[in-house]
Amino acid sequence: GDSVTQMEGPVTLSEEAFLTINCTYTATGYPSLFWYVQYPGEGLQLLLKATKADDKGSNKGFEATYRKETTSFHLEKGSVQVSDSAVYFCALRSGGSNYKLTFGKGTLLTVNP
Amino acid sequence: GAVVSQHPSRVICKSGTSVKIECRSLDFQATTMFWYRQFPKQSLMLMATSNEGSKATYEQGVEKDKFLINHASLTLSTLTVTSAHPEDSSFYICSAREGLGQGVGAAGANVLTFGAGSRLTVL
Repeated sequence: GDSVTQMEGPVTLSEEAFLTINCTYTATGYPSLFWYVQYPGEGLQLLLKATKADDKGSNKGFEATYRKETTSFHLEKGSVQVSDSAVYFCALRSGGSNYKLTFGKGTLLTVNP
Repeated sequence: GAVVSQHPSRVICKSGTSVKIECRSLDFQATTMFWYRQFPKQSLMLMATSNEGSKATYEQGVEKDKFLINHASLTLSTLTVTSAHPEDSSFYICSAREGLGQGVGAAGANVLTFGAGSRLTVL
């Protein structure tokens, strides 16, 4: 079945540091890939997505590229801010799955001033 | 943007009692809502998919008589944990998908909006 494996946290960085959160997946067919972010006390929000190989999703300075050859969708940001502190979830949706998402375990990111 | 309200955010109950969690779409009509469960340091696991006006579709291994889901209107779905036990303690999260024909176009219909979650503790 479908599965998502993402980097275990927590991750603690200083402001303006470079961020990478690794995510790999297994799925049948050609899934769509997502990163969701959950700020303290709030629901999950879609951060970015990619629907086919070599697509790059980007939003708020975050980027992730759909790599079919390595089945990966790593999240990166060149310079993190304190306001980026949150839990980040990698997720996939298989084709024809009627919007059912398979999530990774989540990675807690803390950015210190 | 679309907002999903989930209530209560935290609930503590005694073993054997039933607990109801509500999921409301505040500014859109949700034809489909999803219920997830998250154990500490684990992934969100899909429990069931509910469509307005029809029976919920449960994932394998989820007891439908234990976790009652009702989606009686286009803006409200409820999850009732019946005869709760300590092993039911978990974080429950709902998400809602905007319905087609609501003026949001095809792109809006592909968006899932999540609630903030409800933490259930069964003593």
